[in-house]
Amino acid sequence: GDSVTQMEGPVTLSEEAFLTINCTYTATGYPSLFWYVQYPGEGLQLLLKATKADDKGSNKGFEATYRKETTSFHLEKGSVQVSDSAVYFCALLYTGNQFYFGTGTSLTVIP
Amino acid sequence: GAGVSQTPSNKVTEKGKYVELRCDPISGHTALYWYRQSLGQGPEFLIYFQGTGAADDSGLPNDRFFAVRPEGSVSTLKIQRTERGDSAVYLCASSAGQGTEQYFGPGTRLTVT
Repeated sequence: GDSVTQMEGPVTLSEEAFLTINCTYTATGYPSLFWYVQYPGEGLQLLLKATKADDKGSNKGFEATYRKETTSFHLEKGSVQVSDSAVYFCALLYTGNQFYFGTGTSLTVIP
Repeated sequence: GAGVSQTPSNKVTEKGKYVELRCDPISGHTALYWYRQSLGQGPEFLIYFQGTGAADDSGLPNDRFFAVRPEGSVSTLKIQRTERGDSAVYLCASSAGQGTEQYFGPGTRLTVT
């Protein structure tokens, strides 16, 4: 079945460091791919998305490229800030109704 | 405008009791979703409503779980004969239609003692 495998955390980085959070997926067709973020005490928020192969989603300095050949959607940011500390979830949407989420990666950025 | 709201934010109940969790979606959103998030896991799909009808309830774990959306707006997730394994954060999301961005509420943390 459809599923998402996400890099385990927690991840701790110094401010201005480069961030990569790996995400790979399994799907029988061509899903849409998403990154959601959950800041402390808040609900899940959409960070970025890509709906077809080779699309790049970007927002708030974060980027992820939909790679069909490697079935991946890795999240990257060139210079993280303390305010980026949160839990990040990779997700896929295939049938149009159900999101399949990864287990989440906790990121802590220290000054 | 207001986002998705859920009440209560926290609910503690004893094993065997009945609970109701409420979701108020974004006004005008026709699609509504319930998810369950256990500690250290990502959200797992429970049920999806399009309007008043449950279009997909394949994620409900067993017949103790039931959800309604009688007027196509507010939804209630009902859990009968609660078990300790039901303890989790229950998330609600709404969207303007099938396949469009889902907006999540803050969740209800259910603890069954």
